Amino acid sequence: DAGITQSPRHKVTETGTPVTLRCHQTENHRYMYWYRQDPGHGLRLIHYSYGVKDTDKGEVSDGYSVSRSKTEDFLLTLESATSSQTSVYFCAISYQGGNQPQHFGDGTRLSIL
Amino acid sequence: AQSVTQLGSHVSVSEGALVLLRCNYSSSVPPYLFWYVQYPNQGLQLLLKYTSAATLVKGINGFEAEFKKSETSFHLTKPSAHMSDAAEYFCAVSEKINFNKFYFGSGTKLNVKP
Repeated sequence: DAGITQSPRHKVTETGTPVTLRCHQTENHRYMYWYRQDPGHGLRLIHYSYGVKDTDKGEVSDGYSVSRSKTEDFLLTLESATSSQTSVYFCAISYQGGNQPQHFGDGTRLSIL
Repeated sequence: AQSVTQLGSHVSVSEGALVLLRCNYSSSVPPYLFWYVQYPNQGLQLLLKYTSAATLVKGINGFEAEFKKSETSFHLTKPSAHMSDAAEYFCAVSEKINFNKFYFGSGTKLNVKP
């Protein structure tokens, strides 16, 4: 299995609080991705990174920011969490981008009350 | 942007029967195509991928998929279902022009009846 660790695995927080999710990889892959998974929607891309300090938006980026200061870490931040951001969040990595498959972490279940 | 359509959010088959899960994509330029499987409370695992080589792609666990450009389809099949195949399956594409982004279908849950 690809070395991907997501933390925390579960989190419950209140509306309006900031939340940071961490994705750590040991594979030295260039590309890292954050997705959210919601019933009936599959996985939707939030943000992705194609190198240290190089990030871009996905299809559902509003309300989220990311940072990548090291190859191995990709952080997802909800500046002021809302109930609509309750979801399961997955990190994925890829060696070379779209012509190579992604490898996924085990997910973070986030509940915002 | 790409769109990926998986027909049937739930599919139920008997053990030993053929499995057919459907996937259609929207791009006029054939993209890279992938099938993933997700077991409960786990991340996604790669089943197989199509990247412009043979149109019939074989994957793990006896699954295979056929790329049909004329139908913009990449359907997943398995000749004989096993109880352990019960899971959710996702089709995904990435564009050859901007292949940094992946687009996923909404998923198909496969139920295998004894």
